[in-house]
Amino acid sequence: AQKVTQTQTSISVVEKTTVTMDCVYETRDSSYFLFWYKQTASGEIVFLIRQDSYKKENATVGHYSLNFQKPKSSIGLIITATQIEDSAVYFCAMREDNNNNAPRFGAGTKLSVKP
Amino acid sequence: NAGVIQTPRHKVTGKGQEATLWCEPISGHSAVFWYRQTIVQGLEFLTYFRNQAPIDDSGMPKERFSAQMPNQSHSTLKIQSTQPQDSAVYLCASSPYRDNYAEQFFGPGTRLTVL
Repeated sequence: AQKVTQTQTSISVVEKTTVTMDCVYETRDSSYFLFWYKQTASGEIVFLIRQDSYKKENATVGHYSLNFQKPKSSIGLIITATQIEDSAVYFCAMREDNNNNAPRFGAGTKLSVKP
Repeated sequence: NAGVIQTPRHKVTGKGQEATLWCEPISGHSAVFWYRQTIVQGLEFLTYFRNQAPIDDSGMPKERFSAQMPNQSHSTLKIQSTQPQDSAVYLCASSPYRDNYAEQFFGPGTRLTVL
């Protein structure tokens, strides 16, 4: 069964610094997708970045990058040069590469970026 | 592209009443997912349709909850005899076939309050 765990409930950083959010997952499948989503204060959930399990290179999109450590079943999200507007709840999700499985989400990490 | 549309945005029901929530996926997306979000439980998966067929309803409470997708342009989530513990934000997401339905696009959610 799929399981996604985010142990950091909340993180507070000063703007323009780098923050890392942790996520570990459990799966029996050899092929899967990993995602990070952001939920803003308005409740909107938007897709940020994705890592496919077969890819060795860490994904990067803008100032978001991933630290994919497959042996540890870990997919950390790194945000560089944080901005006030990065304040949000960040969810990690996993979907096994199986048409019959829906993605499962972690509990989320609340990021506060302060001036 | 209008994005995923959910109606109503807010719904208040009395205990024991029925609630029907609507979701219109992004045109061309063939997968639809329903989630429930609460402070305590986080983002809980409820059910998943692909090409209108129910694929995985393992997250649906066995009683009082049902979901349908009568055509490719909308899905409904019905809760019979609503209880205060059903109060939550109900989120609908859709996915295109691209990359085996890897990415999800979320709607704004319906906030259900059961008095």
